[in-house]
Amino acid sequence: DAGVTQSPTHLIKTRGQQVTLRCSPKSGHDTVSWYQQALGQGPQFIFQYYEEEERQRGNFPDRFSGHQFPNYSSELNVNALLLGDSALYLCASSLDWKGDTQYFGPGTRLTVL
Amino acid sequence: GENVEQHPSTLSVQEGDSAVIKCTYSDSASNYFPWYKQELGKRPQLIIDIRSNVGEKKDQRIAVTLNKTAKHFSLHITETQPEDSAVYFCAASTTGTYKYIFGTGTRLKVLA
Repeated sequence: DAGVTQSPTHLIKTRGQQVTLRCSPKSGHDTVSWYQQALGQGPQFIFQYYEEEERQRGNFPDRFSGHQFPNYSSELNVNALLLGDSALYLCASSLDWKGDTQYFGPGTRLTVL
Repeated sequence: GENVEQHPSTLSVQEGDSAVIKCTYSDSASNYFPWYKQELGKRPQLIIDIRSNVGEKKDQRIAVTLNKTAKHFSLHITETQPEDSAVYFCAASTTGTYKYIFGTGTRLKVLA
């Protein structure tokens, strides 16, 4: 049973560039949430996707956008990268939006220079 | 707004001793409280969770207690072992609101 997978593992970008991160949910899960974890901090909720729609959004600017595909995988896009966007980006999946338990992927470490 | 406070930020215990980490949440509608363990460079892993209709839950050396009136919940680890060393995060959520609010984490060091 495959767990949550994310790609790439690491990414280095420069300010102003755009980045796309990818996530495949745990087998049988159809809901994907994205979190940003700055060094030494707890994860911060970015948004959640269910049925290919963004269901709720945290306090992140519109530079952060996402998408969910029919196979439930998801992408996180960040435009106009800032130094402060450097963080570990975690994807979590759950069994529909009513399912409380979220299972996390290994994350993508984004460094913005 | 919604907030989860977590204490202490660091905790050092001798191997075999107990460790307690405490969290306080602000949203009285919160009804699900998971705890995650995150080792350096790895994903957060769910170690135990509790729902608001239960006051205590135990799984071997790990237990979680919930006080809804005070809006407190705590993680208890007994007979600590060096492999328990990690950062522990508490979180709170409300069914149907789609998001977890995480605490700031506790770095636990178990000294051999």
